[in-house]
Amino acid sequence: SQTIHQWPATLVQPVGSPLSLECTVEGTSNPNLYWYRQAAGRGLQLLFYSVGIGQISSEVPQNLSASRPQDRQFILSSKKLLLSDSGFYLCAWGLAGTYEQYFGPGTRLTVT
Amino acid sequence: GNSVTQMEGPVTLSEEAFLTINCTYTATGYPSLFWYVQYPGEGLQLLLKATKADDKGSNKGFEATYRKETTSFHLEKGSVQVSDSAVYFCALSSQYSSASKIIFGSGTRLSIRP
Repeated sequence: SQTIHQWPATLVQPVGSPLSLECTVEGTSNPNLYWYRQAAGRGLQLLFYSVGIGQISSEVPQNLSASRPQDRQFILSSKKLLLSDSGFYLCAWGLAGTYEQYFGPGTRLTVT
Repeated sequence: GNSVTQMEGPVTLSEEAFLTINCTYTATGYPSLFWYVQYPGEGLQLLLKATKADDKGSNKGFEATYRKETTSFHLEKGSVQVSDSAVYFCALSSQYSSASKIIFGSGTRLSIRP
């Protein structure tokens, strides 16, 4: 069966510091991968998605970036965090040609 | 563009009460429709889905029917339990290039009193 991991689970970072969140998927090959952000009390916003190694599509312009160095690894980064980057970050995977997405446990980021 | 509107919460019910959470959508073409559930501090779990008109998705006692004529996908459960307390998201998905793109509603927080 497929599993999706995210780490760290929680993170507190000062404004202006760098960020690296990691997501890995097991039990499947060549998945589509997604990064979402959920602000407090709100819905989910799609940030990035990837259909293959090195292929990244950005949905919302911002100071975040994503990379996919391996087939089942998806990384969310920032060079300098802003207060507005605080939120719950969710990684998801899905199979090409299907509509469903399956979510990881999330990372709660607090920028102070 | 595509969008999802769901009833605002929070919704508070007593155990064994009947639940309805309304969801309507706007979309071109024929999207798939989903309900996701998020328990406190966790990621989202797919609760049920429907891929075409008149399909009924069901899981764990929850049901929702894809109504194209009313563009709705209301979530129902006949008898809720305390363990159903969570945030529920209605969502639609349309194929977007080679990756699906899911549009989520804003979520409805459900609290069940013992």
